[in-house]
Amino acid sequence: QGQLVQSGVEVKKPGASVTVSCKASGYTFTNYGVSWVRQAPGQGLEWMGWISAYNGDTKYGQKFQGRVTMTTDRSTSTAYMDLKSLMSDDTAVYYCARGPGEGGPTGRYDYWGQGTLVTVSS
Amino acid sequence: SYELIQPPSVSVSPGQTATITCSGDALPNQYAYWYQQKPGQVPLLLISKDTERSSGIPERFTGSSSGTTVTLTISGAQPEDEADYYCQSADISNYVVFGGGTKLTVL
Repeated sequence: QGQLVQSGVEVKKPGASVTVSCKASGYTFTNYGVSWVRQAPGQGLEWMGWISAYNGDTKYGQKFQGRVTMTTDRSTSTAYMDLKSLMSDDTAVYYCARGPGEGGPTGRYDYWGQGTLVTVSS
Repeated sequence: SYELIQPPSVSVSPGQTATITCSGDALPNQYAYWYQQKPGQVPLLLISKDTERSSGIPERFTGSSSGTTVTLTISGAQPEDEADYYCQSADISNYVVFGGGTKLTVL
């Protein structure tokens, strides 16, 4: 059974950057990709972008282009999401989810990390 | 930007059939996926590619598609089915989009 374990709670000031990690286990990391999805308090799910752990291809949501960077470390089966220039409305729970390995982010997300709360406050 | 439209809320009595719709112009050309999210929990994949039920998901959950609308049907809804439900699909450029979510109340 696949599992994704994310890094812990983050508290950041406006203008700062945050990095969230997502360590995969129980499946062949490079056969899949990882999408990042966030959920603001009391709100719905918002897709941020996707990275292929197979070949490093990325596709970022238009809202986040220029502000987000997604990477993977195949040696440790870990995906990373960097978000810069944080604002208060970036306060949310950030999830990683296992998705398609190549060809783009459209497909099922069958394993999800536990979520990482990122709070942006002065 | 592309949107998937879901009703904000649906309410049924236990044992009744709950129907949750998701509408979007690209749905005739893009598969839809359905997730259940209970309070404090991570999303759970219910349905893939419009109609394929995930392993371990009760048979009362079914997905269907017709034109620009996909539908999640819960036949004989149970109190434990109370949750938020989200559809997921993509626009014509393959940017993933989630619907706004539907809160299902069973009482």
